[in-house]
Amino acid sequence: AQSVTQLGSHVSVSEGALVLLRCNYSSSVPPYLFWYVQYPNQGLQLLLKYTSAATLVKGINGFEAEFKKSETSFHLTKPSAHMSDAAEYFCAVLDTGRRALTFGSGTRLQVQP
Amino acid sequence: EAQVTQNPRYLITVTGKKLTVTCSQNMNHEYMSWYRQDPGLGLRQIYYSMNVEVTDKGDVPEGYKVSRKEKRNFPLILESPSPNQTSLYFCASSPLWNRVADTQYFGPGTRLTVL
Repeated sequence: AQSVTQLGSHVSVSEGALVLLRCNYSSSVPPYLFWYVQYPNQGLQLLLKYTSAATLVKGINGFEAEFKKSETSFHLTKPSAHMSDAAEYFCAVLDTGRRALTFGSGTRLQVQP
Repeated sequence: EAQVTQNPRYLITVTGKKLTVTCSQNMNHEYMSWYRQDPGLGLRQIYYSMNVEVTDKGDVPEGYKVSRKEKRNFPLILESPSPNQTSLYFCASSPLWNRVADTQYFGPGTRLTVL
């Protein structure tokens, strides 16, 4: 079975600082990986996805993630945090049979002024 | 505007009282799915549908029913809700079931409380 683990349920950074949200996956087949963001009282919005093309994936709002097979990781980064980045972030791996996304438990990002 | 809509957005009900949460998408998507979100557990799939009249169980289907009579609608039915079904529910859709990595678009969520 596929799974993802997000290290750190809460991450706090200062405005302008680097954002690093960690995600490790477990999959017996080449994975399809996703990062979604959830703002308070809203649904999930896709930030970016890895579909076995380029290992460095650029997404919306200045976020990017790098697929590292050797480390089974897909960490999300942003060079400079903005107050509007405060949200909960979910890493997910796709079950290609059911098209089901298996989500991590989420990381809540706080951005301090 | 392309979107997935859910109704109601908030619902408080009592144990055993049948309820339906509706989900509708206006993007002509073939694939639709229901997830529930619980603190510390992320989202877990309840049921999914590859197309009209084709539905199947996800990871946590117990206590739920679905139907897919029209392409745009995918209602979630709780025949006899129980307090352990108190959760935040999301509907999602994506264009083609056989295009593996299509983005799934999520609705705004329905917060259900069962007393």
